[in-house]
Amino acid sequence: ETGVTQSPTHLIKTRGQQVTLRCSSQSGHNTVSWYQQALGQGPQFIFQYYREEENGRGNFPPRFSGLQFPNYSSELNVNALELDDSALYLCASSLSGTGLEFFGPGTRLTVL
Amino acid sequence: AQTVTQSQPEMSVQEAETVTLSCTYDTSESNYYLFWYKQPPSRQMILVIRQEAYKQQNATENRFSVNFQKAAKSFSLKISDSQLGDTAMYFCASTHPFTGANSKLTFGKGITLSVRP
Repeated sequence: ETGVTQSPTHLIKTRGQQVTLRCSSQSGHNTVSWYQQALGQGPQFIFQYYREEENGRGNFPPRFSGLQFPNYSSELNVNALELDDSALYLCASSLSGTGLEFFGPGTRLTVL
Repeated sequence: AQTVTQSQPEMSVQEAETVTLSCTYDTSESNYYLFWYKQPPSRQMILVIRQEAYKQQNATENRFSVNFQKAAKSFSLKISDSQLGDTAMYFCASTHPFTGANSKLTFGKGITLSVRP
């Protein structure tokens, strides 16, 4: 059974640029959630996708957007990058209704 | 809104000893799950233990156990026979159920646990 994978591992961007982060869900999972984890803090919920539609969103602006594909993989897109977007971005997949999320290793984004 | 509070930023324990990590939470939900996650320096968030709010019995997973006090909204993690590999950041988290049975996690700020040889 393949776990949750994310790419890339690290990324450096400059302010104002756009970035796309990718996540491949664990086999059999149909829900994916994205979290932002600032240094020394707990993860903050960005949004969740279920059946290719956004199924809930945290307190993040519209320049954070996402997609879920038919194979349940997912993308997180961030436009107009700001310095405060520098963080570890975690993807978590789950099977709907189980309440159990499994996390990927994360993508470390640095915005200069 | 759900909140999770971890008031201890750091703890240290001698190898083979027992340590307890504290967590309090607040929720208006009647049914919810509580979790402890471990995040070592490798950054991978690993599920340590889960507690279902409607179950009175405290969850146990090998050396890890919880003390779930529903009325006090307290959820502490006890690590017995601490090992060097337990060194990590530990996060307490709760679910916030959405309609459609999907849920998001609300995390505390975490506690850094160091196990001394």
